[in-house]
Amino acid sequence: KAGVTQTPRYLIKTRGQQVTLSCSPISGHRSVSWYQQTPGQGLQFLFEYFSETQRNKGNFPGRFSGRQFSNSRSEMNVSTLELGDSALYLCASSLDAGTGNTIYFGEGSWLTVV
Amino acid sequence: DAKTTQPPSMDCAEGRAANLPCNHSTISGNEYVYWYRQIHSQGPQYIIHGLKNNETNEMASLIITEDRKSSTLILPHATLRDTAVYYCIVGNTGTASKLTFGTGTRLQVTL
Repeated sequence: KAGVTQTPRYLIKTRGQQVTLSCSPISGHRSVSWYQQTPGQGLQFLFEYFSETQRNKGNFPGRFSGRQFSNSRSEMNVSTLELGDSALYLCASSLDAGTGNTIYFGEGSWLTVV
Repeated sequence: DAKTTQPPSMDCAEGRAANLPCNHSTISGNEYVYWYRQIHSQGPQYIIHGLKNNETNEMASLIITEDRKSSTLILPHATLRDTAVYYCIVGNTGTASKLTFGTGTRLQVTL
């Protein structure tokens, strides 16, 4: 079956702009989480959505937001982009939050802020 | 989530078994051990996970010590395509699907 799909794969934005990234989870998966990966900070958890509700949030400023739709697809938005937001943004999905569930990652969206 | 300690890098000859260690001395009873790997510029790939019993799948074996304070990921016959950063993660996904990544082990498989 299809894996986690993220779009777009690559994008370039200017400082001050905003960006929206999209994620389609594996069919049947209801939990979607987002991660940011940078060379300096590594992989860091942004937030997680389950049944259209944010269930968990990492330590990121309010410029980072997300949402989940009724079909479990998710979007994340970053407003007022800064150079430091340049990163690989990863989406992951799992069936739900059941103990021991496997979490699968997409290939990510590469964001470059200039 | 409990913290993990992994060696920063390891080398392995192609065709040999790669044994990647992980220490997680503060693991609690309901926390699982997960292994992922990441090949440059790609998303992390799930390898295997376990609670206390040893686990094996088509990719690897996971050996967890009886006291659960450490584990070893075994790639039985490493190939060049196994060159990647391997992350050992300990967590309880019972309340949220969240993983806390460390710095991992960079495995270099050589001819």
